[in-house]
Amino acid sequence: GQQVMQIPQYQHVQEGEDFTTYCNSSTTLSNIQWYKQRPGGHPVFLIQLVKSGEVKKQKRLTFQFGEAKKNSSLHITATQTTDVGTYFCAGGDLKTSYDKVIFGPGTSLSVIP
Amino acid sequence: DTEVTQTPKHLVMGMTNKKSLKCEQHMGHRAMYWYKQKAKKPPELMFVYSYEKLSINESVPSRFSPECPNSSLLNLHLHALQPEDSALYLCASSQDLRDRNYGYTFGSGTRLTVV
Repeated sequence: GQQVMQIPQYQHVQEGEDFTTYCNSSTTLSNIQWYKQRPGGHPVFLIQLVKSGEVKKQKRLTFQFGEAKKNSSLHITATQTTDVGTYFCAGGDLKTSYDKVIFGPGTSLSVIP
Repeated sequence: DTEVTQTPKHLVMGMTNKKSLKCEQHMGHRAMYWYKQKAKKPPELMFVYSYEKLSINESVPSRFSPECPNSSLLNLHLHALQPEDSALYLCASSQDLRDRNYGYTFGSGTRLTVV
């Protein structure tokens, strides 16, 4: 079945450094979603990418969807302590008749002030 | 109203108890979901309701029984749970199953402990 992988599992950065997490799927995705979960919190939707090669920006966050629609990345420029949390990608399976969304294992970001 | 409300926030139950988790949304979303999340793991899909009908059951044990009384409410009935069922149970909703513009809105979850 479909598998969604993310690297790295953990990332510790100094405040002000950049951060990137990568998401890879074993199958072609219909779409990719990104979520952020703060410690003790619940996942919060950040963005959805649908088109091959799509790039979207939200302030310091840049999201990319690969040309083959099997990988994605989230890049944060100049991290802040408010960026702390676990970032999940979640992919929709193109082969199913519905957008069943599979979550990747997540990348946990720590920001050292 | 752009929230998904879950009650209770915390629940401790014995293995012989029967309890229910409740979820409510008033965003007009037609798809609702139950996820289970263990510590340091991603959310794991349990059930999907689309237009109040059960669309997906991810081979969840029968001790978990979902119910969708109307388009705004989703319940998860619990009976004879095991300690390994202790987890954060998250409810989520979306416009519909094939929405291309918006992701899922998650509730804050019910932290369940089975003793």
